[in-house]
Amino acid sequence: ETGVTQSPTHLIKTRGQQVTLRCSSQSGHNTVSWYQQALGQGPQFIFQYYREEENGRGNFPPRFSGLQFPNYSSELNVNALELDDSALYLCASSPRQGTYNEQFFGPGTRLTVL
Amino acid sequence: RKEVEQDPGPFNVPEGATVAFNCTYSNSASQSFFWYRQDCRKEPKLLMSVYSSGNEDGRFTAQLNRASQYISLLIRDSKLSDSATYLCVVPSSGTYKYIFGTGTRLKVLA
Repeated sequence: ETGVTQSPTHLIKTRGQQVTLRCSSQSGHNTVSWYQQALGQGPQFIFQYYREEENGRGNFPPRFSGLQFPNYSSELNVNALELDDSALYLCASSPRQGTYNEQFFGPGTRLTVL
Repeated sequence: RKEVEQDPGPFNVPEGATVAFNCTYSNSASQSFFWYRQDCRKEPKLLMSVYSSGNEDGRFTAQLNRASQYISLLIRDSKLSDSATYLCVVPSSGTYKYIFGTGTRLKVLA
């Protein structure tokens, strides 16, 4: 069984740029959630995708957007990068939508905004 | 009050000790709870799920107290390899939002 994978591992961008992060869900999982984790903090929920639609969103501005593809992989796009966007971005997949289901995390993408 | 609160620690304990962490939550309607372990600069890994009063897996026991709105994690016979940050997760009832605590750091000393 293939686990959750993310790419790239690390990324350095400058303020104002745009970035796309990618995630492949675990085999058999159809739901993908994205989180932002700043240093010393717990992960903060950005949004969740199920069947290619966003079905839950945290307190993040519209410049954070996403996509889910028919194979359940997903992208996180961040426009107009700000210094505070520097963080570890985690993708998690689960076998079904719903808050009873366990989520399994990928290794994350570490984004640095200069 | 924060939705999910944890004591950040660090908890420094000797090998073989028993240690317990608490996590308080504000949403009384929450039905499921999770404990994750996170090593430095790594992703969180699922440690335990709690759907009713508690759960036990080897040296690890999670207990839920709905009346006081907290869940606890007990680690018996601590190992050096247990050193990590332990994250409490309380899904937000009625949404698909998972709310993480800030984590509790544990360091097991030889």
